[in-house]
Parts: sequence; structure tokens; C-alpha cells
Amino acid sequence: NAGVMQNPRHLVRRRGQEARLRCSPMKGHSHVYWYRQLPEEGLKFMVYLQKENIIDESGMPKERFSAEFPKEGPSILRIQQVVRGDSAAYFCASSPPDTVSREQYFGPGTRLTVT
Amino acid sequence: SQQGEEDPQALSIQEGENATMNCSYKTSINNLQWYRQNSGRGLVHLILIRSNEREKHSGRLRVTLDTSKKSSSLLITASRAADTASYFCATHPRGGGKLIFGQGTELSVKP
Repeated sequence: NAGVMQNPRHLVRRRGQEARLRCSPMKGHSHVYWYRQLPEEGLKFMVYLQKENIIDESGMPKERFSAEFPKEGPSILRIQQVVRGDSAAYFCASSPPDTVSREQYFGPGTRLTVT
Repeated sequence: SQQGEEDPQALSIQEGENATMNCSYKTSINNLQWYRQNSGRGLVHLILIRSNEREKHSGRLRVTLDTSKKSSSLLITASRAADTASYFCATHPRGGGKLIFGQGTELSVKP
């Protein structure tokens, strides 16, 4: 059973460009979470999705950021018109559909660098 | 807002010694989890302790949870150089799916 997969692992964008980060959850997992980690800091929650639904987007910046988890295919975190402050590691996690145990399995992350 | 806070921020010990890290949080939780992150890498899940549990063991790891004090500790016994990493506690609040992470403890184990 492959783990959570993220791609690309490293992404370099110039200011003003768009960044698309992809996450494929573990097989059988229907919950996906996105977190952002700034250098020397802990992870900060961004958004929680189930298939075709955004459950909690309380951590998403109001502008330029969007996320989706379509019926088919990976979850996408999209950052429009990137700025230097968007440079960070973005981690995706997934969890199984039970509601009691919320152990989350993390992907290796995408390191975004905005030049 | 982040609610987990780890203490200490950094810890340096010799191989073979025990390492203790503490975590405090603010709201009611379903469970508390500890993760490890090696430099520049992803997170590895170590252990989950539910709100109705007080202590849990996994190999050289021992986790305690005191819900009255809203605190948890992670003990790594007989540490090894390979334990060098950042350790994060993360709480799963009641009614929510997200995890709330602390700032982490950076552990350095010297051979």
C-alpha cells in the first residue's frame, strides 16, 4: 500500500506565477488535509477536504489560495500570483473514513520556492 | 491559532540517555499525537493517545497525557543518534478533523 504521494517534491516559481501542488492520498483514505510549514516552525493547518467537498478551510488565506479534491484524481492546492512569503513546505495528509481515530499519514511534502 | 506548545524548544543529549519532551494545549481534544520530522523531510507518525488514556508505550517511546493539566509528555529511552530530529505534538480537537501542531522540540543526540 503506497503512502501519501505528493508532487512535485520541489517547485520553483517566479513572483506572479501560479503554483499547483498535487496530493494522492493513501488507498482507501477519503479525507485529505493540507498544511503549510514555514522555516523553523511547526505545521499550520490550511484546509480539510473529502471527495468533492471542502469540510474546513479556516486556515486558508482569503485570497489566491484554493483547494479541491475531485471525485477522480488527486487533491490540488493552487496558489495564484505567488509572492515570496508563499515560500514554504506544503504537506498533504490523509486519513481513513472512520471518525474515531484521526491518525493522519503525511506525504513527503512539496517545497515551494518563490524567486 | 496554534495551541500546542512544546518544551523545551531544543534538547541536546548523549547517546544512551533519555529524552523528555513536553507539550501543552488549550482546548478539549479527541486525541493527541506525536510526530517526528527529520531535517527537510516529511512527518512520521509516532504514537496516538486518546483523551481517555493516561499512558501509552511503543518500543522505546512512552507518552503520558494529563487532560486536567492539558499536557502531554514524550519520553524516548536509551536514545540513539538516529533519534536526532524535530518532534511535534499535535492535538485533534473535539469536533474537528484538523490537527493543531506545536512549534516542535529539536532533539540532538550525540554519539
